[in-house]
Amino acid sequence: GNSVTQMEGPVTLSEEAFLTINCTYTATGYPSLFWYVQYPGEGLQLLLKATKADDKGSNKGFEATYRKETTSFHLEKGSVQVSDSAVYFCALSDSGTYKYIFGTGTRLKVLA
Amino acid sequence: NAGVTQTPKFQVLKTGQSMTLQCAQDMNHNSMYWYRQDPGMGLRLIYYSASEGTTDKGEVPNGYNVSRLNKREFSLRLESAAPSQTSVYFCASSEVVGSGYEQYFGPGTRLTVT
Repeated sequence: GNSVTQMEGPVTLSEEAFLTINCTYTATGYPSLFWYVQYPGEGLQLLLKATKADDKGSNKGFEATYRKETTSFHLEKGSVQVSDSAVYFCALSDSGTYKYIFGTGTRLKVLA
Repeated sequence: NAGVTQTPKFQVLKTGQSMTLQCAQDMNHNSMYWYRQDPGMGLRLIYYSASEGTTDKGEVPNGYNVSRLNKREFSLRLESAAPSQTSVYFCASSEVVGSGYEQYFGPGTRLTVT
């Protein structure tokens, strides 16, 4: 079946450091890929998405590129801030169905 | 727009008690979902409603029932709560079911069953 695997956390970085959170997926067909962010005590919010191979999603300085050849959708940011501290979820939506599949989440802590 | 709202925010139940979690969205979305979030397990789909008048089971439906009351509202009922149902519950909505449509989440209900 389809699945999403993302790197274990927590990830701890200093402010202005470069961030990469790895996400790989297994899917049949042509899923869409998403990154969601969850701040403490809140629900998930869409951070960015990509709907086809080679698409790059971007938002708030975060980027991720849909790589079909490596089945990956890694999240990157060039310079993190303390306010980026949150849990990040990679997800895919199965083409033509209701199914969203979420990774287990990666907690990011950014220190001033 | 309020987006997706959920009530209550917190609830403590004793084993065997029942309760209903309420969810409403004001984005005129057709599809709504209930998830539970447990540590180290990501989000798991309990039930979803592709459109008004339809509901279907997700990954972990046992012990739950749902009602799509109208296009705006989708409730989740625990008939006889068990400690294994201690979790954070999220309601979400999307324009339609299908690839590429992002989901919008409510703030969650933190449920403890003792």
